[in-house]
Amino acid sequence: KQEVTQIPAALSVPEGENLVLNCSFTDSAIYNLQWFRQDPGKGLTSLLLIQSSQREQTSGRLNASLDKSSGRSTLYIAASQPGDSATYLCAVRPSGGYQKVTFGIGTKLQVIP
Amino acid sequence: GAVVSQHPSRVICKSGTSVKIECRSLDFQATTMFWYRQFPKQSLMLMATSNEGSKATYEQGVEKDKFLINHASLTLSTLTVTSAHPEDSSFYICSARTGGPNTEAFFGQGTRLTVV
Repeated sequence: KQEVTQIPAALSVPEGENLVLNCSFTDSAIYNLQWFRQDPGKGLTSLLLIQSSQREQTSGRLNASLDKSSGRSTLYIAASQPGDSATYLCAVRPSGGYQKVTFGIGTKLQVIP
Repeated sequence: GAVVSQHPSRVICKSGTSVKIECRSLDFQATTMFWYRQFPKQSLMLMATSNEGSKATYEQGVEKDKFLINHASLTLSTLTVTSAHPEDSSFYICSARTGGPNTEAFFGQGTRLTVV
């Protein structure tokens, strides 16, 4: 059974700081890994999707890396802004065509102006 | 990316009533949709997999008679919470797959259900 862990559970940083969010998973047989953002009381916004054959993906100030063999992914946020404040979720989709995505519990980020 | 629309975004209902949540794929046909539930301070958990034209597959521990899923067309799946109770209050979110088993799934914006 796949388990996804996100550390830290919560993070508070001053504006402008660079930060790293961590995600680890127990079963390396994955199809892809996806990072989402969830604002309070709202749905999910997809940030980055990394296929199992890829090492990293970048979008603007965001960079996500994947080390499948060690079961780890990181989300790097450069020059953080107050608007980045949200909960960041990591989700792992297994290989083999079965679609059950396993989510981590998330890291709640607060960027202080 | 493909767009999945979920409606309503928020709903408050009285205990004992039923609530229907819709999940629509707006610009693609979705043979498979997924329903998730998120309790406070917990991760999203898959409830069921909805296949167009056939019965849904429920995850262990999810009552199929309580959470009725209908996927009557390639663009619409509905989740009906029957005889809702306060413990059913949660965040429900759907996702839809654009094609075969290895295609990407896109998520709706979620529905916040509060049962009073």
